[in-house]
Amino acid sequence: KNEVEQSPQNLTAQEGEFITINCSYSVGISALHWLQQHPGGGIVSLFMLSSGKKKHGRLIATINIQEKHSSLHITASHPRDSAVYICAVLIQGAQKLVFGQGTRLTINP
Amino acid sequence: EAGVTQFPSHSVIEKGQTVTLRCDPISGHDNLYWYRRVMGKEIKFLLHFVKESKQDESGMPNNRFLAERTGGTYSTLKVQPAELEDSGVYFCASSQAKASFYNEQFFGPGTRLTVL
Repeated sequence: KNEVEQSPQNLTAQEGEFITINCSYSVGISALHWLQQHPGGGIVSLFMLSSGKKKHGRLIATINIQEKHSSLHITASHPRDSAVYICAVLIQGAQKLVFGQGTRLTINP
Repeated sequence: EAGVTQFPSHSVIEKGQTVTLRCDPISGHDNLYWYRRVMGKEIKFLLHFVKESKQDESGMPNNRFLAERTGGTYSTLKVQPAELEDSGVYFCASSQAKASFYNEQFFGPGTRLTVL
């Protein structure tokens, strides 16, 4: 079993819907990244979290360290949000990231 | 400011050949990381440089992979000889070396390697 699990693996929704992507991890971490990769594109960091909640535009990320769980929310989703969203954690005491498998999000107009 | 760049963007080679991937980190970033995603799997860590020194190479799959970072600037990742299972997308990332618990990593666009 992977140390970082994301759900769902694939998500299709209509424009305007509220989207939630979940990430659970089984190891001690120093920080958690939410990353975005558009088809054929590079990886872009959306958030880096170590506690609480962060908001950027229509994106919100939360983390619960005790429950080892993080969520990425997208409000008023738009077709341009279609991408693969990846959760990655920084293992405590190390500088390397451990990645989830990613969630492929498709927003239909 | 230029981001992390990688060259080439795509490489198609035959089994047994040699390929060298290059990564240019963001200027001034001492930390440089190599990652790989093989088909259908999650991205996995390969190794981490601090300047020209290998800090952690625990993710390197075998001795067919050689990473260098001479002078502490750009890095190369050589695969020799390439095998079919080496196909995938190779990402490079860099971060500053500030005295904090974690410095955000910035990713390059990746090199898609196909071994036939």
